[in-house]
Amino acid sequence: DIQMTQSPASLSASLGETVTIECRASEDIYNGLAWYQQKPGKSPQLLIYNANSLHTGVPSRFSGSGSGTQYSLKINSLQSEDVASYFCQQYYNYPYTFGAGTKLELK
Amino acid sequence: EVKLVESGGGLVQPGRSLKLSCAASGFSFNDYWMGWVRQAPGKGLEWIGEINQDSSTINYTPSLKDKFTISRDNAQNTLYLQMSKLGSEDTAIYYCARAPLDYWGQGVMVTVSS
Repeated sequence: DIQMTQSPASLSASLGETVTIECRASEDIYNGLAWYQQKPGKSPQLLIYNANSLHTGVPSRFSGSGSGTQYSLKINSLQSEDVASYFCQQYYNYPYTFGAGTKLELK
Repeated sequence: EVKLVESGGGLVQPGRSLKLSCAASGFSFNDYWMGWVRQAPGKGLEWIGEINQDSSTINYTPSLKDKFTISRDNAQNTLYLQMSKLGSEDTAIYYCARAPLDYWGQGVMVTVSS
């Protein structure tokens, strides 16, 4: 199975700040990577697919980048509604696997 | 509007079976792969598996392959997850999602306890 190592596990940031979350795959996943946002008590929502494509309706302050085994999610100009947990997921190879998640809080 | 609604969860005794359903609407169900993901309380996400449009291909995470069975009824726009030999480690919220996980249901809680 492909292991997804996500960092940091938790993050505290101020409103308006830029935040970056990293995900490292145990092997090349050829941009088969998605990012999800999960707010407390809610189901996950797709943000980014194919490593850098923004899902419909997702604000443009979210962006994804990376290649090979290294990927990142960037949130520009952090808003209060961005407080959530974020997960990466590889779908290059079965079984699909998720990172452990990053909990983002406001400072 | 894409809508996925899970049902069938609840409290079940260890060793028993349970079948979850996911009713889909707002899109052409038989054009999409569908999948299941679970999340233990306070934990991360675990991909369970997915099924293709005509049920000819089903992929599972290996550790669950012998316990869980994914199926679908395209006439009823419904996805299923049959779970057997349940243990406490299967206590989780179970989500159905349209593959490639672009839309998710609200989830259904399954608690395995005596």
